[in-house]
Amino acid sequence: NAGVTQTPKFRILKIGQSMTLQCAQDMNHNYMYWYRQDPGMGLKLIYYSVGAGITDKGEVPNGYNVSRSTTEDFPLRLELAAPSQTSVYFCASSYSLAGGIETQYFGPGTRLLVL
Amino acid sequence: AQSVTQPDIHITVSEGASLELRCNYSYGATPYLFWYVQSPGQGLQLLLKYFSGDTLVQGIKGFEAEFKRSQSSFNLRKPSVHWSDAAEYFCAVGEKTSYDKVIFGPGTSLSVIP
Repeated sequence: NAGVTQTPKFRILKIGQSMTLQCAQDMNHNYMYWYRQDPGMGLKLIYYSVGAGITDKGEVPNGYNVSRSTTEDFPLRLELAAPSQTSVYFCASSYSLAGGIETQYFGPGTRLLVL
Repeated sequence: AQSVTQPDIHITVSEGASLELRCNYSYGATPYLFWYVQSPGQGLQLLLKYFSGDTLVQGIKGFEAEFKRSQSSFNLRKPSVHWSDAAEYFCAVGEKTSYDKVIFGPGTSLSVIP
């Protein structure tokens, strides 16, 4: 299993440009997440999905959009990139059951620089 | 609201020395608690987790953590640190809501002196 994969690894955007960060998992996990990591701030949840066709906002959703058309893929769309979106983005997935919170598995991250 | 604090931003230890990384949380009920490790340029990897039962939890790579409800703490320990343990360590608290809500602490950066 490849686990959670993310592309690209690194990207430079100009202000106002848009892009899609790709995320895929091959573990048949039902839950998927997008986080951003800023220095000294830990991880902040942008969006999450509890299954194909179901997405919802996390803590910091402004400026982002997501879709989940399949169980495997969970792309993150940045519209009108701003310098404040310079960050490292992590995708994660888990197989969540009703009884508790399961381990989240993380991708290697995408480093985004907006200039 | 849930929150997680990690009082030490950066810690340096000598190889072979013992290690303790501190974590305090704020949560009204019995929490789900996690420790993740992030090596440079990598994603996060789970070291260990606590849901219930024995308050001393064993994890991978020789790490352990102890849940102390009275102190709202979940400190991570290792008796003898290896150079390969140099990384960023994140404590996290989870809550079962409409999704698996996990709040991460700010992280502690560990350096290991040979």
